[in-house]
This record gives sequence, C-alpha cells and structure tokens, in this order.
Amino acid sequence: DGGITQSPKYLFRKEGQNVTLSCEQNLNHDAMYWYRQDPGQGLRLIYYSQIVNDFQKGDIAEGYSVSREKKESFPLTVTSAQKNPTAFYLCASSRAGTGVTGELFFGEGSRLTVL
Amino acid sequence: GEDVEQSLFLSVREGDSSVINCTYTDSSSTYLYWYKQEPGAGLQLLTYIFSNMDMKQDQRLTVLLNKKDKHLSLRIADTQTGDSAIYFCAESRMDSSYKLIFGSGTRLLVRP
Repeated sequence: DGGITQSPKYLFRKEGQNVTLSCEQNLNHDAMYWYRQDPGQGLRLIYYSQIVNDFQKGDIAEGYSVSREKKESFPLTVTSAQKNPTAFYLCASSRAGTGVTGELFFGEGSRLTVL
Repeated sequence: GEDVEQSLFLSVREGDSSVINCTYTDSSSTYLYWYKQEPGAGLQLLTYIFSNMDMKQDQRLTVLLNKKDKHLSLRIADTQTGDSAIYFCAESRMDSSYKLIFGSGTRLLVRP
C-alpha cells in the first residue's frame, strides 16, 4: 500500500543531543513537508521541499535541518540548538503544490521527548 | 495577519449535528480545507472548498464559506462517536501554494 512512513514513533533524547527523524513515502510525490504540533497551537511548518536536492525554510526552521537526496526520503534532524524540541512531529507529502486540492498525505507522526 | 482561528473544544451528543467554525484573515486564500486528526495519528483531508464557492456538501459533511466575513464552517450531521477527533481548518494562498496555514484545531468530543 502507498503511504508515508515515519520512524521512530516515540523517541527520547537527552539535552544536547541531535536526533534524526525518518520520513519515507512511496506515493511518488514531488513535495514533502515537516510540521511541528504542540498542544493548542496547531501545526507549524518547519521545512518543505518541492523537489529533490532543494528545500526551503518554513516558519520555525531554527534548530532544525533537513536533506532531500532522494525523492522518497526527507529526514529531519533536531539539533541541540532547538530550544524546546519536545513535540509531535508530522511529515507530509503532496503531488506538487497544494494550490489545486490541498491534499497533504500525512505520516503517523513521531513524538520526541527531551529528558 | 497570518492567523487562522478556531475554538479549541466542542462537545455534542451522539446523533446531534456538530458545527465547527473557523475564521481566516487573508482575502487572497484560494482553497480552504478541513482535516481530521484521530488520537496519536496524522491528519487526513476531509473536504475542501474553492474560494469562489459558498457551500459544498459531501454525505454527512457540509462546508459553508462566507468570504465577506472570512468565515468557514464544517457541519457534521448525525454525529457519531467515531467522529471524535481534532478538526483543523487550513488555507492556501495565491502567494504560497506550497504552504498551508493551519488553525489550532478544534477538539470534538461526541458523548453517547
């Protein structure tokens, strides 16, 4: 079945450590996104990528990094520079821009807790 | 401004209708969407409406758009316990077709 797979589902990290969240899609979508979800704050865009080897900062990119070496994969690294990394992270993809139908396909999310 | 605003919580009795409201600020919005998030999961697109439409109906779901007031609503008829979830409205804009602006989500609780 086609879809988006995020791993790990739960992750614990000590302060000062970098951690990488995986996102893989087999939908043949060009665009991929990372969102952060905090209680009562909705989704905020961290990074997005319209095409392989290209990505843009979203609204809250500080303390995060991404790469897009393959169409299927868009890993997110939460660095030690991120001041408040505990959150639920959602990866999504879309065929191209969202302007036509806006359908983002989401993964199941990764919950990161910093101890 | 950038904000898309929703009330945080709605509780209804099973079988009643639910109405979830959303206001947005950007008049250049092209499409407006409703997404559903079940506990511990990602979001799924429920429905969307183009900005030149007033209403869209899809089975139990009715979307109303008042462009003058920048107000969007989602009505769920005959609400079931399986409809309990968080509902997000979102907009896409002419100047940023790769970015959706999401509201903070409305948590719908359906009481038996």
